[in-house]
Amino acid sequence: GDSVTQMEGPVTLSEEAFLTINCTYTATGYPSLFWYVQYPGEGLQLLLKATKADDKGSNKGFEATYRKETTSFHLEKGSVQVSDSAVYFCALVDSNYQLIWGAGTKLIIKP
Amino acid sequence: GAVVSQHPSWVICKSGTSVKIECRSLDFQATTMFWYRQFPKQSLMLMATSNEGSKATYEQGVEKDKFLINHASLTLSTLTVTSAHPEDSSFYICSARDLQGGEPLHFGNGTRLTVT
Repeated sequence: GDSVTQMEGPVTLSEEAFLTINCTYTATGYPSLFWYVQYPGEGLQLLLKATKADDKGSNKGFEATYRKETTSFHLEKGSVQVSDSAVYFCALVDSNYQLIWGAGTKLIIKP
Repeated sequence: GAVVSQHPSWVICKSGTSVKIECRSLDFQATTMFWYRQFPKQSLMLMATSNEGSKATYEQGVEKDKFLINHASLTLSTLTVTSAHPEDSSFYICSARDLQGGEPLHFGNGTRLTVT
């Protein structure tokens, strides 16, 4: 079945560092891909999405490009802030419109 | 944007009591709502899919008699944890899919349940 694999955390960076959180997927067809963010003690928020190959989703300085050839959707940000500390989930929507989740990557940004 | 309101945000109850969690779509109609459970430091686990006007579909291993789901209208789904036990303590999150389209799903802010 469909699956999502993302890098294990926690990822610890200093403020203003460059961020990459890797996400790869296996799926039949061409699913839509998502990144969700969960701030401490809160629910989930959609961060960005891409619906087809070569699409780039972006929001709040974060970007991810749908790479069909490498089945990847890596999350990047050029300069992270302490407020970006959260857990980030990569996900895809399967053919039944159910979300398939990655395990989540905890990001810790130190001032 | 679309908003899903989940209530309460946290609740503490005693063993043996029941707790009801509400999930409302505030500015859109949701034919389908999903209930997830999140264990500490883990990803979300889908518990059940709730369709308006019909019985919920439970994932394997989820006790339907313990986790009662009702989706009485296009804007409201409820999850009732019956006869709660400490092992039911968890973070429960609902999500709703817009009637207009299949994605993305909109999430509530979650409910932290602690059973003492």
